[in-house]
Amino acid sequence: DTGVSQDPRHKITKRGQNVTFRCDPISEHNRLYWYRQTLGQGPEFLTYFQNEAQLEKSRLLSDRFSAERPKGSFSTLEIQRTEQGDSAMYLCASRLVGSSYNEQFFGPGTRLTVL
Amino acid sequence: SQQGEEDPQALSIQEGENATMNCSYKTSINNLQWYRQNSGRGLVHLILIRSNEREKHSGRLRVTLDTSKKSSSLLITASRAADTASYFCATDAAGEGIGPGANSKLTFGKGITLSVRP
Repeated sequence: DTGVSQDPRHKITKRGQNVTFRCDPISEHNRLYWYRQTLGQGPEFLTYFQNEAQLEKSRLLSDRFSAERPKGSFSTLEIQRTEQGDSAMYLCASRLVGSSYNEQFFGPGTRLTVL
Repeated sequence: SQQGEEDPQALSIQEGENATMNCSYKTSINNLQWYRQNSGRGLVHLILIRSNEREKHSGRLRVTLDTSKKSSSLLITASRAADTASYFCATDAAGEGIGPGANSKLTFGKGITLSVRP
């Protein structure tokens, strides 16, 4: 257990439905990242937050995706009008900026299956 | 896009043997990291090596970095069945700033599946 939690761990939805995932980082960590991992691939960067500010979004993050970190603590990732291609593991990671390392602590992930 | 390419894609060894995994990358980096992922689980950070370092050790792990060849290797000595997992190298690209202001997003390879037979 890295201290980063994600909820839910599994989500099965029908195409066209909206889904929302939550990530709770390690409490003192000010940097929060979202990654997506498909079967047989490594994680791919989606977006990151410094406190409550979203500072970068990958081109993978289409306009159906939105992420928030309203109080600089937990974050949510919402996918609207889900498509089968959205099926993946969504990973959240956190880091303390100012530490000498760039070690990111990953949560267990949310596995999304779109039917 | 994936930055790193790990080699081999899959490795099967006997418990007690050493496992060597290689990673090549394309751009200049601030550091390179190795992570482990057990089936269907999150990633666990193993070791980080900075661009100005050539070798680093942590327990049974030894990582090397050759920035001239843009490659790294991870050696696991005296492997155990519990080492069975997927291993990923991840790079923190240079040119995007260093220190607290850098975004430090990681770019991962496709991973190596290691099986250690008891």
